[in-house]
Amino acid sequence: RKEVEQDPGPFNVPEGATVAFNCTYSNSASQSFFWYRQDCRKEPKLLMSVYSSGNEDGRFTAQLNRASQYISLLIRDSKLSDSATYLCVVLRGGSYIPTFGRGTSLIVHP
Amino acid sequence: DAEITQSPRHKITETGRQVTLACHQTWNHNNMFWYRQDLGHGLRLIHYSYGVQDTNKGEVSDGYSVSRSNTEDLPLTLESAASSQTSVYFCASSRLPGTMNTEAFFGQGTRLTVV
Repeated sequence: RKEVEQDPGPFNVPEGATVAFNCTYSNSASQSFFWYRQDCRKEPKLLMSVYSSGNEDGRFTAQLNRASQYISLLIRDSKLSDSATYLCVVLRGGSYIPTFGRGTSLIVHP
Repeated sequence: DAEITQSPRHKITETGRQVTLACHQTWNHNNMFWYRQDLGHGLRLIHYSYGVQDTNKGEVSDGYSVSRSNTEDLPLTLESAASSQTSVYFCASSRLPGTMNTEAFFGQGTRLTVV
């Protein structure tokens, strides 16, 4: 089993839709969690950190469920510019090495 | 502004040659990482370093080496390039463990082709 797992998609949604991605992690000692965005052939960029109480940044909401070992990302009112690959990232407890899921592809169409 | 830069951005080399990819960061981060990204595999860790003179192997380290002689640089060397090492390589850095804001920042990537 991979340490961080994501549904690769693609998720194909119309503009204005709400879409949610989940990510599961296997190491219960993991301590920090992030969502990154990666555009085609470019470097990953931090979208948002994920806090235990859940957090929101504009149209984006991240949730963490430690008991079930998953994190989620909700995107409301999708824009064409949201089309990208979304990477779930977990820092291994004690080592702080960023471990990546394979990413979930989102395509927002007019 | 602080940043992390990789060079070259594109490289074509022949099988068997030694190749070094540069990574330089001005964040003054202790942690530095090298990943490769291939279709179907996502980002896989090659080597990492927690500080000067510290280097560690990641999950796909065979055929690669790194050295850390200062805080700013972590060059990645392919000892004898193989076609299986054709990939996109990303360097990243992050703050010390135990501090707030431990997210990683990435360079723009190096696209390496081994022919």
